[in-house]
Amino acid sequence: QKEVEQNSGPLSVPEGAIASLNCTYSDRGSQSFFWYRQYSGKSPELIMSIYSNGDKEDGRFTAQLNKASQYVSLLIRDSQPSDSATYLCAVNMRSDYKLSFGAGTTVTVRA
Amino acid sequence: DAGVTQSPTHLIKTRGQHVTLRCSPISGHKSVSWYQQVLGQGPQFIFQYYEKEERGRGNFPDRFSARQFPNYSSELNVNALLLGDSALYLCASSLGGSGSYEQYFGPGTRLTVT
Repeated sequence: QKEVEQNSGPLSVPEGAIASLNCTYSDRGSQSFFWYRQYSGKSPELIMSIYSNGDKEDGRFTAQLNKASQYVSLLIRDSQPSDSATYLCAVNMRSDYKLSFGAGTTVTVRA
Repeated sequence: DAGVTQSPTHLIKTRGQHVTLRCSPISGHKSVSWYQQVLGQGPQFIFQYYEKEERGRGNFPDRFSARQFPNYSSELNVNALLLGDSALYLCASSLGGSGSYEQYFGPGTRLTVT
C-alpha cells in the first residue's frame, strides 16, 4: 500500500466550476497535511496546510481533513485557467519530518 | 525576502561522474530537505538536515550524501551517477523547530545523466 494516494487524473473542469481533489494516507498517526501546486516544468508551491479535522478555507481553496477516515481533500472554487496544474498531496507522518507525497492529480480548467 | 535558491538550474553529466547541488534556505529557516522528483511522480525524500545534523534519510543508496553548513545552506552530492539519477532535485526550506512542518521549495536543479 502506498503511503499517500491521490485520485487518478487528469481532471478536466469548465471555467467557474468546482474542482475536487482527493487524497488518502496510510499512517493513522499522521499529523500534518499539505497541498502543493506544481505548474509544468516548475517546482511545487505550498498552497494549503491543515492540521485539525474539519475545513480550512483560503480564498478559493478549501482543504478538508478527516483523520478517522485518513482522508484529505482540496476544493478549488470558481476554477480559473490559471489553476491548471498538477496538485500534490503531502503528509507528514508521526514525528518524521519528511513529507510523503502522492503522485499528483493534473487539473485542466477549460475556458 | 528571498525564497529558497538552488544552483545550478540545469546540469548535464555523464554516467559515473560526480555532481554537487547547492541550496540556500529562506532567511531564518534552519532546516533543509532534499527531494528527488522524476517525471510523473511526486517528490521522494532523500535527506533532511537541521542545525547541521542529519535528521532523516530516505531510501536512497549511499552514493547520495549531503551536508549542511553553519549558515544553513546545504549541498547534495551524488557519486557514480547512473542514468536513473536523471531527475529534478528539489531543496525545501523550513523553520525546523518542533511543530513547524511547512516546507517551501526552491526552483530545483534539473539533472540529466547521459
